[in-house]
Amino acid sequence: DAGVIQSPRHEVTEMGQEVTLRCKPISGHDYLFWYRQTMMRGLELLIYFNNNVPIDDSGMPEDRFSAKMPNASFSTLKIQPSEPRDSAVYFCASSGGVGGYQPQHFGDGTRLSIL
Amino acid sequence: QKEVEQDPGPLSVPEGAIVSLNCTYSNSAFQYFMWYRQYSRKGPELLMYTYSSGNKEDGRFTAQVDKSSKYISLFIRDSQPSDSATYLCAFYSNSGYALNFGKGTSLLVTP
Repeated sequence: DAGVIQSPRHEVTEMGQEVTLRCKPISGHDYLFWYRQTMMRGLELLIYFNNNVPIDDSGMPEDRFSAKMPNASFSTLKIQPSEPRDSAVYFCASSGGVGGYQPQHFGDGTRLSIL
Repeated sequence: QKEVEQDPGPLSVPEGAIVSLNCTYSNSAFQYFMWYRQYSRKGPELLMYTYSSGNKEDGRFTAQVDKSSKYISLFIRDSQPSDSATYLCAFYSNSGYALNFGKGTSLLVTP
């Protein structure tokens, strides 16, 4: 079975540019999560969706960050304008199944560097 | 006080050793407990998932949960060099679907 697919795997861009990260969750999963991982702060939840609807975006650092899920098989995380402090690894995860609190399955992340 | 405490290591052991990895937590609402393994430049991979106190075994891995002490452990028997990775504990509370992660323990198993 295909796991969570993220693209691009690496992104290097200059400060001020728009960055778009993409995620395809596991088919049939109804929850989708965006995380950011840094050495200092570890894994932090940015936002999550249930059935394509954003449920909790309290982890989104500022208005420069936005996320969408137009359908069950695709989500984007956008940063505009980007800043050097946004450099991190961004992970997408999905979960689903009967009953709540199913374990989350992660993609291999997008390594983002803002110069 | 942080909600989850996990020793970052690094922890270095010889091949074949028994490894013990631990996390403590402060939030009584944490009800579901997970261990993830993360290799360099890869995403976290689920190893163990449990929701009750006691032990759960899967091959060389045993997860132990003590809710009264707010303490969870992961034991790895007959450790292999391929077990070298960062191990993260993670928790669901009963108030939402956000996973709360420890910062991870780096493990190195030397041949």
